[in-house]
Amino acid sequence: GAGVSQSPSNKVTEKGKDVELRCDPISGHTALYWYRQSLGQGLEFLIYFQGNSAPDKSGLPSDRFSAERTGGSVSTLTIQRTQQEDSAVYLCASSYTLTGGAKNIQYFGAGTRLSVL
Amino acid sequence: QQPVQSPQAVILREGEDAVINCSSSKALYSVHWYRQKHGEAPVFLMILLKGGEQKGHDKISASFNEKKQQSSLYLTASQLSYSGTYFCGTEGVGGAQKLVFGQGTRLTINP
Repeated sequence: GAGVSQSPSNKVTEKGKDVELRCDPISGHTALYWYRQSLGQGLEFLIYFQGNSAPDKSGLPSDRFSAERTGGSVSTLTIQRTQQEDSAVYLCASSYTLTGGAKNIQYFGAGTRLSVL
Repeated sequence: QQPVQSPQAVILREGEDAVINCSSSKALYSVHWYRQKHGEAPVFLMILLKGGEQKGHDKISASFNEKKQQSSLYLTASQLSYSGTYFCGTEGVGGAQKLVFGQGTRLTINP
């Protein structure tokens, strides 16, 4: 696709429910990243994928958070038993490769705004 | 480690200049700069590779001092459209090290 696509753009859920957030990276990009951004805050790194592998899961806030990537393309971020503190904008980005100067320029999707009531 | 940006926030009048700094505690291969406007996703501005190069983009330019492991973003004759949060992202030397973003600098340009 032309850019990184995320869905849904907005998600309102009740506390305790599970949610799935989807990210479609730019075609051909091998690296994919998930970030969380609370209102007025910076980019909190969650997890990245190189291909279908996730070498660094250190940013996931708790075991309620998980992510997978299939076919080296689409990724889903799943939050189980959502809590109010999970409310934030979840951003996905992709890059051609993980490293290598210009090859790892990250292109961001518009994000999913999650509201947990 | 996360690079440190300074200042955390700056307020300017249109036409004034600003400098945003990004410092790392480790040797760097490249520095990226991104801008995020309110309610939008971050957008890539420019990349600097080790070698101390400078880059320019309209009236926005940047420098990279690899010895000091620092980069600075210069905004001259600021325009209202420059308002937003600026993030630097740093890539370390050697190994498969992903880009790590600083905490951001919020720039407000007033008329």
